Amino acid sequence: SQTIHQWPATLVQPVGSPLSLECTVEGTSNPNLYWYRQAAGRGLQLLFYSVGIGQISSEVPQNLSASRPQDRQFILSSKKLLLSDSGFYLCAWSKGSEYQETQYFGPGTRLLVL
Amino acid sequence: LAKTTQPISMDSYEGQEVNITCSHNNIATNDYITWYQQFPSQGPRFIIQGYKTKVTNEVASLFIPADRKSSTLSLPRVSLSDTAVYYCLVGGDSWGKLQFGAGTQVVVTP
Repeated sequence: SQTIHQWPATLVQPVGSPLSLECTVEGTSNPNLYWYRQAAGRGLQLLFYSVGIGQISSEVPQNLSASRPQDRQFILSSKKLLLSDSGFYLCAWSKGSEYQETQYFGPGTRLLVL
Repeated sequence: LAKTTQPISMDSYEGQEVNITCSHNNIATNDYITWYQQFPSQGPRFIIQGYKTKVTNEVASLFIPADRKSSTLSLPRVSLSDTAVYYCLVGGDSWGKLQFGAGTQVVVTP
């Protein structure tokens, strides 16, 4: 069966510090991968998605970036965090072979920027 | 992607049926309607998907009228553990991109 992992689970970082969040998927190959952010009490905002290694599409211009160095690894990064980067970050995957296919979400990383 | 409108919140008691209606007037011919459930501090979880008429699984039922401009998620005999945010999504492009709105916060009380 497929499993998606995210770490760390929680993170407290000072403003201006770098960020690296990691997501890995097991049990599938060549998935579509997604990074979402959810502010408190709000819906999910799609940040990045990837259909293959090295292929990243950005939905929202900001100080965040994403990379996919391996087929089942997706990394969210920032060189300098802003207060507004605080939120709940979710990684998701889908099979990448069907139209309007189901997305499967990881446990999330709660980031607090102080 | 079609825009969806759903109530911000709904309250219910244990054992009752909860019906959440979602409006999607601009739904495209090839769009499916999908519902996700999200518990606090967790990622959303797929509940059900449908195209027309009625779909039922072990968790919920989805009713879609003939014009497909709305849909209703029905949760039978809810329990406290059904307290969550429920998202209605319509469509999605070929890359599977979804658009999550604010969802409907369902609170079930004893």
